[in-house]
Amino acid sequence: ETGVTQSPTHLIKTRGQQVTLRCSSQSGHNTVSWYQQALGQGPQFIFQYYREEENGRGNFPPRFSGLQFPNYSSELNVNALELDDSALYLCASSLVRSKAEAFFGQGTRLTVV
Amino acid sequence: GDSVTQMEGPVTLSEEAFLTINCTYTATGYPSLFWYVQYPGEGLQLLLKATKADDKGSNKGFEATYRKETTSFHLEKGSVQVSDSAVYFCALKASSNYQLIWGAGTKLIIKP
Repeated sequence: ETGVTQSPTHLIKTRGQQVTLRCSSQSGHNTVSWYQQALGQGPQFIFQYYREEENGRGNFPPRFSGLQFPNYSSELNVNALELDDSALYLCASSLVRSKAEAFFGQGTRLTVV
Repeated sequence: GDSVTQMEGPVTLSEEAFLTINCTYTATGYPSLFWYVQYPGEGLQLLLKATKADDKGSNKGFEATYRKETTSFHLEKGSVQVSDSAVYFCALKASSNYQLIWGAGTKLIIKP
């Protein structure tokens, strides 16, 4: 059973640029969620994808967008990067059942300069 | 809305001490409750969970009991080790929702 994997592990971008982060879900999981974790804080929910459609969204602007592919892997895209976007971005996969736990990847550390 | 409140850290203990990290929640309905652990530079690992009132989750010597009457899910361990040093997050997932709601995290430091 393979776990959740994210790429890249670290990334440095310039303000105003665009970035794409990738996530491969755990085998058998059909739901992917993305979280933003600023330094010293708990994760904040960005959005969730189920069956290739957005299934819920947190309080993030439209420049945060995503995709889910038929194999359940996912991408997070952020346009017009701002300095405050610097954070650890975490992908979690789960089954869609409401009580199902989420399994996290190691995260992508994004630094915007 | 739904929320999770954890005791502030850092919590500093000596090896073999007893650990309690408090977690209380506010939620409608019957949420599932989780403890996750984050080691330095890593992602989040599920430590334990409980899905209904009076359930006890346990793993690696850690325990937490879902107390609906006090809306709490306190994390305990009888004898901590240096390797337990990490940040611990309490989280809930409401039955009518799709996202995890997180506490701010509690940093645990264990000294030899």
